[in-house]
Amino acid sequence: GENVEQHPSTLSVQEGDSAVIKCTYSDSASNYFPWYKQELGKGPQLIIDIRSNVGEKKDQRIAVTLNKTAKHFSLHITETQPEDSAVYFCAASKRRGNQFYFGTGTSLTVIP
Amino acid sequence: DGGITQSPKYLFRKEGQNVTLSCEQNLNHDAMYWYRQDPGQGLRLIYYSQIVNDFQKGDIAEGYSVSREKKESFPLTVTSAQKNPTAFYLCASSIPAGQPQHFGDGTRLSIL
Repeated sequence: GENVEQHPSTLSVQEGDSAVIKCTYSDSASNYFPWYKQELGKGPQLIIDIRSNVGEKKDQRIAVTLNKTAKHFSLHITETQPEDSAVYFCAASKRRGNQFYFGTGTSLTVIP
Repeated sequence: DGGITQSPKYLFRKEGQNVTLSCEQNLNHDAMYWYRQDPGQGLRLIYYSQIVNDFQKGDIAEGYSVSREKKESFPLTVTSAQKNPTAFYLCASSIPAGQPQHFGDGTRLSIL
């Protein structure tokens, strides 16, 4: 099966700084990589995703990069704001079966 | 407004009791999933269903049961065989094959 590792488990940054969260996966057949943001007491919300035929995707202050050769992908948040504070999860899935394998989460705190 | 509704938000279980968590979606998604979330851990898959009247075990199915009689509904029963049921339970749905999952806001289950 797939194994997704996520680092760091906690991250604190000053408001306005950038935050980077990294994930690695083990199964080269994985081809879809979403990132989710989870606020306290809520379900995860999709914030950005990337497919294996693309190396980078950007949406305003959020970007994701994918290195298929090294089997890792990263979430980049620029100009962080206090409302970015949450737990972020990466995931990987394959087209067949549609099972998602999640990382263990990163608790991001943005200090005003 | 389409989405996934989980109920109740909080649930308490007595020893030896079975409890059922509700999950309803109006997104017209074929696939539905149940995850368990424990502190400091990622989401672990309990059961998933890709079509009505069909479902498969995930990584931690022991002590749980599901049914999928309608496309919109995927209830999860936590049986007395599940010895450590205290957790946050998340339901999700998706269009199959590499599309993002949409999550409900979860049910927090505790032991009395």
